[in-house]
Amino acid sequence: LAKTTQPISMDSYEGQEVNITCSHNNIATNDYITWYQQFPSQGPRFIIQGYKTKVTNEVASLFIPADRKSSTLSLPRVSLSDTAVYYCLVGDNNAGNMLTFGGGTRLMVKP
Amino acid sequence: GAVVSQHPSWVICKSGTSVKIECRSLDFQATTMFWYRQFPKQSLMLMATSNEGSKATYEQGVEKDKFLINHASLTLSTLTVTSAHPEDSSFYICSARVRTSGSQTQYFGPGTRLLVL
Repeated sequence: LAKTTQPISMDSYEGQEVNITCSHNNIATNDYITWYQQFPSQGPRFIIQGYKTKVTNEVASLFIPADRKSSTLSLPRVSLSDTAVYYCLVGDNNAGNMLTFGGGTRLMVKP
Repeated sequence: GAVVSQHPSWVICKSGTSVKIECRSLDFQATTMFWYRQFPKQSLMLMATSNEGSKATYEQGVEKDKFLINHASLTLSTLTVTSAHPEDSSFYICSARVRTSGSQTQYFGPGTRLLVL
């Protein structure tokens, strides 16, 4: 399973765009990249998933360079309610492998 | 996205008793579910993989006789913490996989807070 490395914490202010980068140097050919958000005492919530290039949904964008050794989660115009821990996970979803959690990034959004 | 529920959301029990936690996929069938444990300010740790109709697969260091997993149907997996002790107090989270276009996505339940006195 590919190991991921993320910044331990980040600070931002309301209304700003936040970019969280995750390194996964040994990502395998069949691995997908998935990001989750977790609030205290809640289960992780799926944000976005991608394989290559750019994926966008109603809450975030995911940028994946051609070598796929890293990925960047972009949260546009964050609010106080986006304060949470964000996890980047890499795994072969089609093979049915479970996802292994790294340490995550604790995002603090300030007013 | 797909919805996964857990019951109960929290439980307090005396040391030595057993506690059962249910994990349900509400709008889809899940042949495979996962059980995680999370201690305060730590990441999620995978405990076991629950397979419908077969035995669960446990991660190294997780006692299968203490954490009994049953996946009797395509929408229900249960985790029973047997003879619970204070060190078993934790946040237990289950997840299930859903096949989406081209891949599979893992969705998580809301978690169950267990406090053993």
